[in-house]
Amino acid sequence: DGGITQSPKYLFRKEGQNVTLSCEQNLNHDAMYWYRQDPGQGLRLIYYSQIVNDFQKGDIAEGYSVSREKKESFPLTVTSAQKNPTAFYLCASSIQPIGYTFGSGTRLTVV
Amino acid sequence: DQQVKQNSPSLSVQEGRISILNCDYTNSMFDYFLWYKKYPAEGPTFLISISSIKDKNEDGRFTVFLNKSAKHLSLHIVPSQPGDSAVYFCVSSNTGKLIFGQGTTLQVKP
Repeated sequence: DGGITQSPKYLFRKEGQNVTLSCEQNLNHDAMYWYRQDPGQGLRLIYYSQIVNDFQKGDIAEGYSVSREKKESFPLTVTSAQKNPTAFYLCASSIQPIGYTFGSGTRLTVV
Repeated sequence: DQQVKQNSPSLSVQEGRISILNCDYTNSMFDYFLWYKKYPAEGPTFLISISSIKDKNEDGRFTVFLNKSAKHLSLHIVPSQPGDSAVYFCVSSNTGKLIFGQGTTLQVKP
C-alpha cells in the first residue's frame, strides 16, 4: 500500500535540543511539504520541496531546517532556535494541486 | 493576514440533519478549493474539491458550493452522521500551494 509514514508519533524534546522528524513516502510524488498545527489554527506551511535537492521556505520557516536528498524522504529538523516548538507536525506529498496525501503526524512536546 | 477564514470554530447538529460549514477567502486568484476532514492525532484526509470555474460539486452526502462574487464557499453534509464528527478545514490552492483555514469542529449528536 502506498502512503506517507511519519515517525515518531510522539516526541519529547528538552530545551536547547535539536530534534529531527522523519517523513517517508512511497507514492512517487515529486512534491513534499511540512505543516504545523496549533490549537485553534489551521495548518501553516513550514517548508516545501517540489523536487529532489531543492526546497523552499514556507510561511513559518524560522527555527526549522529540511533536506531532500531522496525523492522518498523529507526530514524536518526543529532547531533550538525555534522558540515555540510544541505542536502537531504534519508531512504531506502531492503530484498535482488537489492530490495531497498527509501523514498521520508527529506530536512534539518540549519538556 | 488570514486569506482563508472559517469564522465558526464549532458547530453542533443532530444526526440526520444538514450540516453547513462556511468559509470566506480574500484572494480571487485561488484556482481550487478543497475541504479536508481531520480526526484528532491523525493527518487530514481529502473530502471534496471544487474548481474556481464551477459553482457546485457534489459527492454523495457532501456538496460544496462556491460563490465567487461573495468569495464564499460552503460545505453541506446531508444527512449528517455521528461519524462525520471531526475538524473540517477549508483549503484554497494557489498554484499548488495549500492555504488552510482555522478549521471548524463539527459534532453530530445521535
